[in-house]
Amino acid sequence: QKEVEQDPGPLSVPEGAIVSLNCTYSNSAFQYFMWYRQYSRKGPELLMYTYSSGNKEDGRFTAQVDKSSKYISLFIRDSQPSDSATYLCAMYYGNNRLAFGKGNQVVVIP
Amino acid sequence: DGGITQSPKYLFRKEGQNVTLSCEQNLNHDAMYWYRQDPGQGLRLIYYSQIVNDFQKGDIAEGYSVSREKKESFPLTVTSAQKNPTAFYLCASSIWEGGNYGYTFGSGTRLTVV
Repeated sequence: QKEVEQDPGPLSVPEGAIVSLNCTYSNSAFQYFMWYRQYSRKGPELLMYTYSSGNKEDGRFTAQVDKSSKYISLFIRDSQPSDSATYLCAMYYGNNRLAFGKGNQVVVIP
Repeated sequence: DGGITQSPKYLFRKEGQNVTLSCEQNLNHDAMYWYRQDPGQGLRLIYYSQIVNDFQKGDIAEGYSVSREKKESFPLTVTSAQKNPTAFYLCASSIWEGGNYGYTFGSGTRLTVV
């Protein structure tokens, strides 16, 4: 009912590259879609929040939702070493509950 | 500044001991949550509370207990029945209204069994 798939494999990119992360889900009831960023030994912080299918931009970050394919993505343009973190997707399924992906560790190499 | 405070940041537990992790929020959020994070396993829900004096088990509640006597506070006790308690514990709170959705997390408590 709340299955969210996110490939947890680490991702290393050179500084300035585009980082592409994605999650898939199986439950059509998911309503809101979020991306959290978590630095090492810290709590996750909300990065992006979207509701409808389409793109949402915030600076170097773009969140993309395709409800028909049950697929969400996060793109980071002009990646910086400070973007090195774990990125978790999350989806709201009602009753004040979120379902989380396992997270993607991203390393941006200077 | 509003936020969630978890304490302590690091905690060491001896075999057979109960320990309590503190979580306090001043965001006036109704719902609060406890998650456990292990490498490669993502966030696993331990307990959550929608309102004062009420809480529900999450996916991995065995060996843990909570209380919610005040809106601001949601302490987690890791009991001796929890066989593998070494992990990073995260507390969160949420509000779902007025277009604001999502969790606010604390900075976590790292618990180690010694």
